Amino acid sequence: DIQMTQSPSSLSASVGDRVIITCRASQSIGKFLNWYQQKPGKAPRLLIYVASSLQSGVPSRFSGSGSGTDFTLTINYLQPEDFATYYCQNSYNTPFFGGGTKVEIK
Amino acid sequence: QVHLVESGGGVVQPGRSLRLSCVASGFSFSNFAMHWVRQAPGKGLEWVALISFDGSDIKYADAVKGRYTISRDNSKHALYLQMNSLRPEDTAVFYCARDPSNIVSNEMDYWGQGTLVTVSS
Repeated sequence: DIQMTQSPSSLSASVGDRVIITCRASQSIGKFLNWYQQKPGKAPRLLIYVASSLQSGVPSRFSGSGSGTDFTLTINYLQPEDFATYYCQNSYNTPFFGGGTKVEIK
Repeated sequence: QVHLVESGGGVVQPGRSLRLSCVASGFSFSNFAMHWVRQAPGKGLEWVALISFDGSDIKYADAVKGRYTISRDNSKHALYLQMNSLRPEDTAVFYCARDPSNIVSNEMDYWGQGTLVTVSS
C-alpha cells in the first residue's frame, strides 16, 4: 500500500499569509493526488484534483503542484474561512488519505 | 444540485450489524462510482469502500474486508454499506461520496453530511 505523509500536522498563520502544506507518497503516484478541506463538523470538500486542477467553485488563491512522490498545496492570502484541516489523498490506486494538516489562527 | 443523504447510523453493541444508506439526488446516480469514507472522533479521514457505477468493481480497505459489504440499487438512487461484526474501533462518522467517473477515478467531488456509528456495549 502507498502511504501518504503530510507535513506539518498543524500550523498557525495569520490572515493574509501564504501557507504551504506538503504531502509525500511512499512511491510514485504520478499526478494522481487530490486535496480536500474540512471544517469542524462538516464534510470534506474537494479543492484540487490530479495535483493541480482547481475544482469548480474553489477560489483561485488555492493551488496545487507536484508529481511523483512530492506535492504541495499553497494557499495565497489566507482568508478567515480558510482555517480548517486539509487532507491529501492518493487517487493512483487505493485512495488513502494523508493524516491531515490543521491550519489555525495565529 | 447534487445531494447525498446518509442514514442508518446509531449506537450498536460490539459484534452486531448495521446497514447504512445513502440516497442521491440531483444527478444521474447510475452513471457514477461511489465511495464510503469514515472518520473516527477527532481523527483523520479513512477510505472504506468503493463501487463502480454498475457494481462490477468493488474494493475494500483491509480494516473492513470480510466484515463490510458495499452495494447499490440504481433504481432507487441508493448506496448501501452493510456492516457486520462491528468493533469499538469502527466508531466513526460515515460519509458517502461521489466519484466523478463511472468506473473509478478515486476522486470524491460531492459528499454527504455523514451519519454517526457508535459501537459500544
